[in-house]
Amino acid sequence: EIVLTQSPGTLSLSPGERATLSCRASQSVSSSYVAWYQQKPGQAPRLLIYGASSRATAIPDRFSGSGSGTDFTLTISRLEPEDFAVYYCQQYGSSLTFGGGTKVEIK
Amino acid sequence: QVHLVESGGGVVQPGRSLRLSCAASGFTFSLYGMHWVRQAPGKGLEWVAVISFDGGNKYFADSVTGRFTISRDNSKNTLYLQMNSLRPEDTAIYYCAKSPYSSGSYSPFEYWGQGALVTVSS
Repeated sequence: EIVLTQSPGTLSLSPGERATLSCRASQSVSSSYVAWYQQKPGQAPRLLIYGASSRATAIPDRFSGSGSGTDFTLTISRLEPEDFAVYYCQQYGSSLTFGGGTKVEIK
Repeated sequence: QVHLVESGGGVVQPGRSLRLSCAASGFTFSLYGMHWVRQAPGKGLEWVAVISFDGGNKYFADSVTGRFTISRDNSKNTLYLQMNSLRPEDTAIYYCAKSPYSSGSYSPFEYWGQGALVTVSS
């Protein structure tokens, strides 16, 4: 099973700042089959990025994904108030596993 | 727009069974694979099961293999999760989620329902 480790656990930033979230896999993820999700309290997760770098439908372009192999990154270029949430990475190249999440909180 | 609505959650004793349903609308249900994903209270996400567009292929997480069954009725646009031999560690919000693919293979989760809470407790 591919284990995904997300860091940091919590990111404290101010609106307008840049957020960089990391997701490291215990082994290479085939074809960059990595997705990112945003989850707000009391809500279901929402797909942001798939295929490591493709934005899902209606996702603003301040969200971008990059990486390959074992190291993947989600970047939010300028944080908006609605972006403060928990973010999960997921790999779907070999079964399906999630990272433990990164909470982006208001500083 | 895509709409997924889970139902059937509740409180159940350990060892008993429960069946969840997921009613789908806003897309051609019979063309897409579907997943169940769960989230224990205050915890992260765990994939549970996937079924192909026609029900011919199914895969399960190790934690539920042999206890849970996934099925679908394309005439009713409904996905099911039959959960048997329930354990306290199965307590979670259960989400159904749409795959962008027709196959019952691993995929991102394109759209999610609002979830159904299952509590396993005596």
